[in-house]
Amino acid sequence: DAMVIQNPRYQVTQFGKPVTLSCSQTLNHNVMYWYQQKSSQAPKLLFHYYDKDFNNEADTPDNFQSRRPNTSFCFLDIRSPGLGDAAMYLCATSTYSVTLHNEQFFGPGTRLTVL
Amino acid sequence: DAKTTQPPSMDCAEGRAANLPCNHSTISGNEYVYWYRQIHSQGPQYIIHGLKNNETNEMASLIITEDRKSSTLILPHATLRDTAVYYCIVRDRTGNQFYFGTGTSLTVIP
Repeated sequence: DAMVIQNPRYQVTQFGKPVTLSCSQTLNHNVMYWYQQKSSQAPKLLFHYYDKDFNNEADTPDNFQSRRPNTSFCFLDIRSPGLGDAAMYLCATSTYSVTLHNEQFFGPGTRLTVL
Repeated sequence: DAKTTQPPSMDCAEGRAANLPCNHSTISGNEYVYWYRQIHSQGPQYIIHGLKNNETNEMASLIITEDRKSSTLILPHATLRDTAVYYCIVRDRTGNQFYFGTGTSLTVIP
């Protein structure tokens, strides 16, 4: 089945130690998103890629970076994780079309713990 | 940023209709209304969307007021598996961004 896959599902890192979360998709969608969701809060959009074009949200900290080497894969890099970065990180994909609705498909998320 | 207002929580008896309201008073003509839900510890799941007409699919119905300033998601026969947080999202169809509001935590009671 076509899907959005996130690895790992659970990630533990140390304060200040760089960490990379990965997302892959078999849907061949041209848009990929990264959201941060803290406990009991709504998902917060960090950035998205439209094909190779990177679109950062204005309030996303510089500590968060992303790479999309090809259509199928997208990575979230946290350069120096702080305790406040502990959260669920959700990857999503969609197609872009002005005339069609653009349903987002979400992965199961990676829960990041910072010690 | 989020342009929707939803009640923080609601209860519904199993088997009854669940009616979840959403206010989007600043919606513009280019913007769709989307509904997603998130079951605990899972990624959000698409439910339904609409522009100005009422919509129905196998999961739910979406009623949008004539002035488009509010909408209601209807789950016609709620089950325990419908317990989740329901998010109403207003999205500009010319852009890619989805901004989640605070959502409504729906609890279906046996």
